[in-house]
Amino acid sequence: GESVGLHLPTLSVQEGDNSIINCAYSNSASDYFIWYKQESGKGPQFIIDIRSNMDKRQGQRVTVLLNKTVKHLSLQIAATQPGDSAVYFCAERKSNFGNEKLTFGTGTRLTIIP
Amino acid sequence: IAGITQAPTSQILAAGRRMTLRCTQDMRHNAMYWYRQDLGLGLRLIHYSNTAGTTGKGEVPDGYSVSRANTDDFPLTLASAVPSQTSVYFCASSVGAHSGELFFGEGSRLTVL
Repeated sequence: GESVGLHLPTLSVQEGDNSIINCAYSNSASDYFIWYKQESGKGPQFIIDIRSNMDKRQGQRVTVLLNKTVKHLSLQIAATQPGDSAVYFCAERKSNFGNEKLTFGTGTRLTIIP
Repeated sequence: IAGITQAPTSQILAAGRRMTLRCTQDMRHNAMYWYRQDLGLGLRLIHYSNTAGTTGKGEVPDGYSVSRANTDDFPLTLASAVPSQTSVYFCASSVGAHSGELFFGEGSRLTVL
């Protein structure tokens, strides 16, 4: 079946180091991918998105990489800070032209070690 | 700026009771959504509304109903709650139905006994 999933459920990174969170998807019809961050006790918050016609997009301290050949998405966070500790979700959408909604992965918990 | 406001924050409910979770947004967004979040299952879409006056079923709609009488409000009703509906419920909105940037509320934790 089609799924959006993550390679690792937890990740611990030393403060100041870079972190990479991975996401695998199996729906080749997906054309749009998004990363969300969810802090404890709060709702998810949009971080960055990327369309399938791109392979890289950068934001402030974050970079999303898309490898359509192996259906892999990653979120890189540079110089991690304590405030980066959260659960990170990838989400995909099949098509912008129909009524397709986002499908979320199960999330990866990132812990920043002081 | 409030964004998305959900109520109640937390509720314990007896099985078989009726419950309405409230959601209000002040961003004049066209689209609104209800998700449930369960450990290990991520966020699953219950119902959505692309614009005021319209609603649609998501991935897990059974046992839930919604209405969208106006742009701002999108209540979720459990007609007869069951223990499997114990979850954290998130309301979200987006500028349009095709926007991937959803704005989420803080969530409503519901426990059905």
